[in-house]
Amino acid sequence: QKEVEQNSGPLSVPEGAIASLNCTYSDRVSQSFFWYRQYSGKSPELIMSIYSNGDKEDGRFTAQLNKASQYVSLLIRDSQPSDSATYLCAVGADGLTFGKGTHLIIQP
Amino acid sequence: GAVVSQHPSWVICKSGTSVKIECRSLDFQATTMFWYRQFPKQSLMLMATSNEGSKATYEQGVEKDKFLINHASLTLSTLTVTSAHPEDSSFYICSAHPGLALDEQFFGPGTRLTVL
Repeated sequence: QKEVEQNSGPLSVPEGAIASLNCTYSDRVSQSFFWYRQYSGKSPELIMSIYSNGDKEDGRFTAQLNKASQYVSLLIRDSQPSDSATYLCAVGADGLTFGKGTHLIIQP
Repeated sequence: GAVVSQHPSWVICKSGTSVKIECRSLDFQATTMFWYRQFPKQSLMLMATSNEGSKATYEQGVEKDKFLINHASLTLSTLTVTSAHPEDSSFYICSAHPGLALDEQFFGPGTRLTVL
């Protein structure tokens, strides 16, 4: 059974600091990895996708993938209070397997 | 681009009734759509994969006779919860996939179902 593990948090980070979110997955043949942001009562919003080992940067967000370690991370630089949300790690090429999410709180 | 809509956004029904939820891709054709369910404080769980013109593929543990899926066109998939019970109360979210390998899925806004 495919599993995606995340620390549920809450992870509290001061405004302006770097927030680091981590995720591990069990299916070694996975090819596609995604980070979604979900606000309470809303559906997930795609933040980043990553398919190759290494880093991928998009604005304040950097996704990191290490397939050998089966590890994905998301860094949020210059954290803003509006970044406070639950961040979901998802794995898969068709139907996605989601982690339970990390609740991130940015303290003003 | 890549907008997915769902209707209704919320529904309250009595136990034993059936509820239909629509998922539409508004600006692209979706050969594949997915239905997820999210219980409070839980993550999204894939229920089924819906392919245009063919039968849906259900995940283990999801009753196909209870959750009827129809994907009659490249822009519309429907989920019908038959004989709904309180334990079916959940947040139902669809996503649409343009059909290319490794493509991102685009999620609808979700439907909050409450069964009394």
